[in-house]
Amino acid sequence: DIQMTQSPSTLSASVGDRVTITCRASQSISSWLAWYQQKPGKAPELLIYKASSLESGVPSRFSGSGSGTEFTLTISSLQPDDFATYYCQQYYSYSGFTFGGGTKVEIK
Amino acid sequence: QVQLVESGGGVVQPGGSLRLSCKASGFTFSTYGMHWVRQAPGKGLEWVAFIRYDGSNKHYADSVKGRFTISRDNSQNTVSLQMNFLRAEDTALYYCAKHFEAYCGGDCYSHFDQWGQGTLVTVSS
Repeated sequence: DIQMTQSPSTLSASVGDRVTITCRASQSISSWLAWYQQKPGKAPELLIYKASSLESGVPSRFSGSGSGTEFTLTISSLQPDDFATYYCQQYYSYSGFTFGGGTKVEIK
Repeated sequence: QVQLVESGGGVVQPGGSLRLSCKASGFTFSTYGMHWVRQAPGKGLEWVAFIRYDGSNKHYADSVKGRFTISRDNSQNTVSLQMNFLRAEDTALYYCAKHFEAYCGGDCYSHFDQWGQGTLVTVSS
């Protein structure tokens, strides 16, 4: 099974900061990676798919990059609404659509 | 608009069974693969099961293989998860989620673009 490792697990930042979250796959997944945002008590929401494609309606301050085994999610200027938990997910393998462990973005 | 509404959660004893359902609306259900994903209290997301748009292909996480069965009824726009031999570690909020790509199921790549709000399963004596 493909393992997804996210870092950091927690991130403290201030409004306006540039934030970067990293996700590593245990084997190449090409660009078949998505990023989701989850707020407390809510279902996850899609931000980025195919590593770098922005989902419709998602603010342009969110961006994704990478391919193969290394991926990043960047928030260019953190806004109050962005404090949440972020998950990466690979959808390369049908034997397990693995998620990363999550990154909680907290207010500094 | 797309809606996914889960139901069937509740409290069950270890070793017991429960059947979850997800009612879909707002899209042509019979053309999209569907998933179940769970989240234990305070923990991350864990993919559970997938069913192809026509029901002909299914995949399961190792943690539920042999105990859980995913099925769908395209005439009722519903996907179900039959959960048997439940364990304490199955306690979680269970979400259904929709594939983005139509007619995709084992031979193409598709992220999840819509999620329901979840139904809570508690396994406890």
